[in-house]
Amino acid sequence: DAKTTQPTSMDCAEGRAANLPCNHSTISGNEYVYWYRQIHSQGPQYIIHGLKNNETNEMASLIITEDRKSSTLILPHATLRDTAVYYCIVSRDNYGQNFVFGPGTRLSVLP
Amino acid sequence: GAVVSQHPSRVICKSGTSVKIECRSLDFQATTMFWYRQFPKKSLMLMATSNEGSKATYEQGVEKDKFLINHASLTLSTLTVTSAHPEDSSFYICSARSGLAGDGNEQFFGPGTRLTVL
Repeated sequence: DAKTTQPTSMDCAEGRAANLPCNHSTISGNEYVYWYRQIHSQGPQYIIHGLKNNETNEMASLIITEDRKSSTLILPHATLRDTAVYYCIVSRDNYGQNFVFGPGTRLSVLP
Repeated sequence: GAVVSQHPSRVICKSGTSVKIECRSLDFQATTMFWYRQFPKKSLMLMATSNEGSKATYEQGVEKDKFLINHASLTLSTLTVTSAHPEDSSFYICSARSGLAGDGNEQFFGPGTRLTVL
């Protein structure tokens, strides 16, 4: 079973920030938080990952709470092309643990 | 970012035939490759993990004799669906991980292969 819970779906207006929450209350100290998204009929696309500190790249920002029990993926200026299913995954950084995908959040960016 | 390709992107076959799907890491060496299956409106389910040069590790409930996985090089893994049946129709997705130690070990996914068994 996935160690994360996410809302089933969210809407966001085009041009506004999309904030996607993820709960991972049982995360272990050596587990990272990964975010991927999947646009219809394509393979998942890597977005960002982090351990403790907040992270930012050209696609998104990842905010991890101090207790690491939840995180938020932020798409600063959502576009229609950001409509996708977003998956939050926790996993260790070694060979011992694989990704377990939950159902994710279906984000719809509306014009 | 790292690029993973799959071939073919789409395949239709008759029941009882075998189908081979290739997964290639184009710009990095993948010590580990993963195979997932995704049914319509469902999430990805891990089928097996393969490390270059060794036998694949299959998830519970996945028949290793039906889904043959070969990871003969650091850039290529193949999944062969043997004696395919209509219930094997699905979206098959591979991913690759470089295995370099350090800051996270993200997987990079291929575009997927849609298999339809008639």
